[in-house]
Amino acid sequence: AQSVTQLDSQVPVFEEAPVELRCNYSSSVSVYLFWYVQYPNQGLQLLLKYLSGSTLVKGINGFEAEFNKSQTSFHLRKPSVHISDTAEYFCAVSLYGGSQGNLIFGKGTKLSVKP
Amino acid sequence: DAGVTQSPTHLIKTRGQHVTLRCSPISGHKSVSWYQQVLGQGPQFIFQYYEKEERGRGNFPDRFSARQFPNYSSELNVNALLLGDSALYLCASSLGYGGYGYTFGSGTRLTVV
Repeated sequence: AQSVTQLDSQVPVFEEAPVELRCNYSSSVSVYLFWYVQYPNQGLQLLLKYLSGSTLVKGINGFEAEFNKSQTSFHLRKPSVHISDTAEYFCAVSLYGGSQGNLIFGKGTKLSVKP
Repeated sequence: DAGVTQSPTHLIKTRGQHVTLRCSPISGHKSVSWYQQVLGQGPQFIFQYYEKEERGRGNFPDRFSARQFPNYSSELNVNALLLGDSALYLCASSLGYGGYGYTFGSGTRLTVV
């Protein structure tokens, strides 16, 4: 079975500082990897995804993530955060190939950007 | 283009009642999935439909059921509501499944009293 662990439930950071949100996954087979963001009282928005190829993936709003197969990690980074980045961030995986593609989510990391 | 639309946005039901939640996918998307998000947790997979056939089912009781219509819209039904069914129910649509990534709606907030 697959599982996703987001190592920090809350991350406070000052505006314009860099941030890293950590995600580790467990799977005996290859997976696709995703990061989603959820603003208060809204659904989930896709930030970026890793399917194959280059291990450094760039997404929207200046975010990027690096896939590390040996460490089974997919950490999300941003070099300089804004107040508007305050939200909850979810890491997710789905099985590579196969007949279904449901997402398995971590418990989320709440990013709080302070002025 | 319209995104994934869900209705209603909010709903209050009494224990034991039945509820139907509706989802319209993005035009051209043939896959619809349902997720339950309890406060403070990540979304949990309930069902996935592709081309009107059930492609996956999460670990939810038989009180939960769903279907997909010929126009690819979908309904999620929950019978005999329990207090623990209170959650945000999210619908997601995709061209296919797996690596396509999913576009989520804003959800239906269900409160069971």
